[in-house]
Amino acid sequence: GIQVEQSPPDLILQEGANSTLRCNFSDSVNNLQWFHQNPWGQLINLFYIPSGTKQNGRLSATTVATERYSLLYISSSQTTDSGVYFCAVDDSNYQLIWGAGTKLIIKP
Amino acid sequence: GAVVSQHPSWVICKSGTSVKIECRSLDFQATTMFWYRQFPKKSLMLMATSNEGSKATYEQGVEKDKFLINHASLTLSTLTVTSAHPEDSSFYICSAPAGTGVLNEQFFGPGTRLTVL
Repeated sequence: GIQVEQSPPDLILQEGANSTLRCNFSDSVNNLQWFHQNPWGQLINLFYIPSGTKQNGRLSATTVATERYSLLYISSSQTTDSGVYFCAVDDSNYQLIWGAGTKLIIKP
Repeated sequence: GAVVSQHPSWVICKSGTSVKIECRSLDFQATTMFWYRQFPKKSLMLMATSNEGSKATYEQGVEKDKFLINHASLTLSTLTVTSAHPEDSSFYICSAPAGTGVLNEQFFGPGTRLTVL
């Protein structure tokens, strides 16, 4: 089956810094999503991005499907950005295959 | 985006009792919903796929008699943990795809934290 790897596993930054999170996947996928899981466990949809580039405020994402990776950019980090960021891909069966996540801590 | 609700958000029960968790799609219909379990500091683990009007599909290693799933309508799926034991304590999350064909962005409920004493 498809393997999804995220890096780095942990990231600690000072408020205001920028960061790049990476998601590699081992085979062609139909869909790719980025999520932020907040401290209460809620998964928040960040981007639905099987290919191309999208931006939403301080966040942007790029997926290069032909090279099987996606990047999530967070600019001017805020403490509320802390949490775990997951990448998940769909291999055409509606089922999501998850990466292990990147735990981000933003220090004030 | 589409909204998925879960109820209850947390529950504490005694060992041996059953607990029912509801997952609702509030502003869209979902013929398929997914149930996940998440252990502390781990990624989500798919338990089963809930199919409206038919039996759920369980992942390998998930006991179907212990985790009963019913998808009674296009907006409601329920997960019942039967004869719960402390090892069933976990964070349970449901999701539903909102889209057509291969365009199936998934939306997640807020999760249910189950503690079995």
